[in-house]
Amino acid sequence: GENVEQHPSTLSVQEGDSAVIKCTYSDSASNYFPWYKQELGKRPQLIIDIRSNVGEKKDQRIAVTLNKTAKHFSLHITETQPEDSAVYFCAASRGNTPLVFGKGTRLSVIA
Amino acid sequence: DAGVIQSPRHEVTEMGQEVTLRCKPISGHNSLFWYRQTMMRGLELLIYFNNNVPIDDSGMPEDRFSAKMPNASFSTLKIQPSEPRDSAVYFCASSHSGTHSYEQYFGPGTRLTVT
Repeated sequence: GENVEQHPSTLSVQEGDSAVIKCTYSDSASNYFPWYKQELGKRPQLIIDIRSNVGEKKDQRIAVTLNKTAKHFSLHITETQPEDSAVYFCAASRGNTPLVFGKGTRLSVIA
Repeated sequence: DAGVIQSPRHEVTEMGQEVTLRCKPISGHNSLFWYRQTMMRGLELLIYFNNNVPIDDSGMPEDRFSAKMPNASFSTLKIQPSEPRDSAVYFCASSHSGTHSYEQYFGPGTRLTVT
């Protein structure tokens, strides 16, 4: 089955700096890679996703890159703000099937 | 739309008691997922339904856990008997298979504490 590894587990950045979170996956048939943000006590919320036929996708300060050959995808947050502080999860799946999640990255943005 | 609805939001019970968690998916969604979140194991799938039919229950820990989806708008996850190690946040999520959107929408979760 699919296995998703996520690094780092914790990340602290100064406000305004960039943050990068990396994930690897094992199943070459996976074709959907979402990123979720979870604030304390809240549900995971989708912030951006990418499919295997696309190498990069950007939405304002957030971007995701995918390297299918290396089975590697990354989340990039630029100009970080205190409200970006949360736990971020990457995930992988084959289309509309159950997601396999990474273990999460706790991002702290220091004002 | 109200989004995915789960009840109860919090449940505290004693070991050995039966616990039933409930989920109402987004109207029109035909895939439903139950996930469990713990500090140790993170977010993991318990069971997945498509068109009310269980497709993958490989994540269900043991026979103490059971799930049903009697119709397109309701699902239950039952634990009987409950044990302290079942303490976790249980999320229900739904999506619409057959479209080009794979996004899964999560409910607010049920925080279960078994003492």
